[in-house]
Amino acid sequence: ETGVTQTPRHLVMGMTNKKSLKCEQHLGHNAMYWYKQSAKKPLELMFVYSLEERVENNSVPSRFSPECPNSSHLFLHLHTLQPEDSALYLCASSPLHDGGTGGEQYFGPGTRLTVT
Amino acid sequence: GQNIDQPTEMTATEGAIVQINCTYQTSGFNGLFWYQQHAGEAPTFLSYNVLDGLEEKGRFSSFLSRSKGYSYLLLKELQMKDSASYLCAVTDSNYQLIWGAGTKLIIKP
Repeated sequence: ETGVTQTPRHLVMGMTNKKSLKCEQHLGHNAMYWYKQSAKKPLELMFVYSLEERVENNSVPSRFSPECPNSSHLFLHLHTLQPEDSALYLCASSPLHDGGTGGEQYFGPGTRLTVT
Repeated sequence: GQNIDQPTEMTATEGAIVQINCTYQTSGFNGLFWYQQHAGEAPTFLSYNVLDGLEEKGRFSSFLSRSKGYSYLLLKELQMKDSASYLCAVTDSNYQLIWGAGTKLIIKP
């Protein structure tokens, strides 16, 4: 399989549940990202991993916990979420660009999360 | 603060030409991207500009003026499948990608 894949594609969870989102990239990239996309808002960068180290955490609540076990896999662990966390969660990867992570990004199809 | 502005929504007719504008104020500049996102799908890369001028790729062209903090995406010979959101994103001096909210383009027959 090529590109960036994400599972599950759709997830409905209650506020007391614990679930995980999975992302896998087959492009040989060294940087991976989690984004949140809510309706009519810009993409919100949540976390950035470069060479498997977290390099950015944009003031994301602790109920979201990322994990990057290797350069091909990225997880987002979810617990005690709120209804306002319902959104599309996108994973992306990119090659490192001049040592940084601002280059062209390749996105997975996203997980549509609904918190009830 | 860092800011990217683009129109929320535009409407155009099949076969016509449409120009989607993007203005940015960022701490430094290391390139500008345009992405296309169909409803319910992931964004896909369209173009990249780092120098001033026009980059043409088939029916799509992207223009950049760094001195004006301005870019546009030009779509020619519009097709119904071009109905999508178009996202402008800028890489700042820290090589962080800053995203606009996107422009929803509606194509009418």
